[in-house]
Amino acid sequence: AQSVTQLGSHVSVSEGALVLLRCNYSSSVPPYLFWYVQYPNQGLQLLLKYTSAATLVKGINGFEAEFKKSETSFHLTKPSAHMSDAAEYFCAVSRVSGNTPLVFGKGTRLSVIA
Amino acid sequence: DTEVTQTPKHLVMGMTNKKSLKCEQHMGHRAMYWYKQKAKKPPELMFVYSYEKLSINESVPSRFSPECPNSSLLNLHLHALQPEDSALYLCASRYRDRGTYEQYFGPGTRLTVT
Repeated sequence: AQSVTQLGSHVSVSEGALVLLRCNYSSSVPPYLFWYVQYPNQGLQLLLKYTSAATLVKGINGFEAEFKKSETSFHLTKPSAHMSDAAEYFCAVSRVSGNTPLVFGKGTRLSVIA
Repeated sequence: DTEVTQTPKHLVMGMTNKKSLKCEQHMGHRAMYWYKQKAKKPPELMFVYSYEKLSINESVPSRFSPECPNSSLLNLHLHALQPEDSALYLCASRYRDRGTYEQYFGPGTRLTVT
């Protein structure tokens, strides 16, 4: 079975500081990994995805994530936080085939302090 | 048109009411999903439709009845709901991009059962 664990339900950073949101996965097969962002009272927006083409993945809004097989991790980073980054972030995993649904982590709420 | 739309945005219903949620996409995606999201929790899969056929039902109570009339439209019929069914209901469609699948999410319907 596949699963993801997000370390830290709430992360708070100062504006301009590094953002680091942690995600570890468990999968018996090579996984496809995703980061989604959810702003209050909105749906989920895909930030980036790992598909085995490259271990360092760049996404929207200046975010990137690095797939590390040895650490079973897919942490999300952004060099400089902006107030507009405050949101809920979900890491998710899926298999390649068929209608396999996404399995989400519990989410990390990011607060950005001015 | 690159979006998933959901109507209504908000819905308040009594426990004896019958109502429906609607989801629409015109991106040609052939898999569509219903998720339920409680406050401060990740989305939980309810149903998956593939080529207008129900392919996954995550043991959802029969008071939720999905319907996929055509490849662009997905409905969720609600009847005799309980207050604990109050949640954000998210619709998503699946897109295949260079051998990987991505899910596009709609903005959700905020349901309150009184």
